[in-house]
Amino acid sequence: EAQVTQNPRYLITVTGKKLTVTCSQNMNHEYMSWYRQDPGLGLRQIYYSMNVEVTDKGDVPEGYKVSRKEKRNFPLILESPSPNQTSLYFCASSLNGGGNTEAFFGQGTRLTVV
Amino acid sequence: DQQVKQNSPSLSVQEGRISILNCDYTNSMFDYFLWYKKYPAEGPTFLISISSIKDKNEDGRFTVFLNKSAKHLSLHIVPSQPGDSAVYFCAASASRGQFYFGTGTSLTVIP
Repeated sequence: EAQVTQNPRYLITVTGKKLTVTCSQNMNHEYMSWYRQDPGLGLRQIYYSMNVEVTDKGDVPEGYKVSRKEKRNFPLILESPSPNQTSLYFCASSLNGGGNTEAFFGQGTRLTVV
Repeated sequence: DQQVKQNSPSLSVQEGRISILNCDYTNSMFDYFLWYKKYPAEGPTFLISISSIKDKNEDGRFTVFLNKSAKHLSLHIVPSQPGDSAVYFCAASASRGQFYFGTGTSLTVIP
């Protein structure tokens, strides 16, 4: 089954404790991206990757890191999480990141930073 | 500043009637527009898209209209069904890889 898998689905952590949210896709997609969803702000793009070893900042990259060492994986790293990073995070992938290509989203990771 | 805006947080429609969801944008460089649907506890799923060189795209019960001069697009669902109840996000792209989403409109279709 074609899918984007995020782990964990839920995470509560403390301020400053490094964490990684994993994202994996099995569709051989070149493009992957991370978003956060907050009430009243919709979905905002954090980082995206057009291919292996190619990453770019989205709209709200501050406080986040990403890496794309393999085509299927695109982890989101929070080196020193803060309470304002409490949010619902989504990973997405598509064939090539073109504006007319359908993106497939993971089920989301709800992160709480206390 | 929000480049894609959905000014109606919610919309209720009777089953069988038309649902019209609206979206406004500010960036004239956007070349593609997309609509996604999201159910609770799930990720968004792609619904329909339109290129900026077109003014209409239709897929079954779903039609998207684009008015470039007004920087406005709308999603029409006809006829509306209870299973269409979800949050709908409008999105736009100006360059490959970068996407801007609206804040979403929660649609409730009343049986």
